[in-house]
Amino acid sequence: AQSVAQPEDQVNVAEGNPLTVKCTYSVSGNPYLFWYVQYPNRGLQFLLKYITGDNLVKGSYGFEAEFNKSQTSFHLKKPSALVSDSALYFCAVSFDRGSTLGRLYFGRGTQLTVWP
Amino acid sequence: DAGVIQSPRHEVTEMGQEVTLRCKPISGHNSLFWYRQTMMRGLELLIYFNNNVPIDDSGMPEDRFSAKMPNASFSTLKIQPSEPRDSAVYFCASSSTLGLAGGRDTGELFFGEGSRLTVL
Repeated sequence: AQSVAQPEDQVNVAEGNPLTVKCTYSVSGNPYLFWYVQYPNRGLQFLLKYITGDNLVKGSYGFEAEFNKSQTSFHLKKPSALVSDSALYFCAVSFDRGSTLGRLYFGRGTQLTVWP
Repeated sequence: DAGVIQSPRHEVTEMGQEVTLRCKPISGHNSLFWYRQTMMRGLELLIYFNNNVPIDDSGMPEDRFSAKMPNASFSTLKIQPSEPRDSAVYFCASSSTLGLAGGRDTGELFFGEGSRLTVL
């Protein structure tokens, strides 16, 4: 069965410090991995994705994520956190199923709080 | 591009009433998804369409829920009769194939702002 785990419900970090939001996955076949961010009372916004190629993926707002196949992980990182990064972050996975459609499986989300 | 448009943004209704949520996907997108978000259950996929055809409705909670996509630019999610446990934020999202080998949809979704439903 396909699944995504975000082991931390909350992550707290001081502004200017590096941040990491963790994600592990389980899929049948090659994974396509995504990070989305949700600000209060808003829809989810796409941050970045891994499809193939370099394991380190760079995305919006200075975020990046590293695909680690052996550890089945796709952790989200940022070298220097901003207070405005405070939001709910979702990891999601799809996978190559040889058809024209692949649904996304979302984690439960991690609330990131960056304090000044 | 206007993005995915959902209406209404907020709906308060009484138990037993019919609720209809509406979605206009991004023009040119051929996949449409309905999600429900609650504190208890997180983000749940209810149903998704490809080229206006329902592909997987296994997430629809029960027969009180129905979804239609009569054309490429419009979809509805209907709850009849509504119950207090249906209170949630309902999101619509759309996507398109990215032109990769085999025309696979790799799942980058564009979400609407959501419809917050409260059933009293």
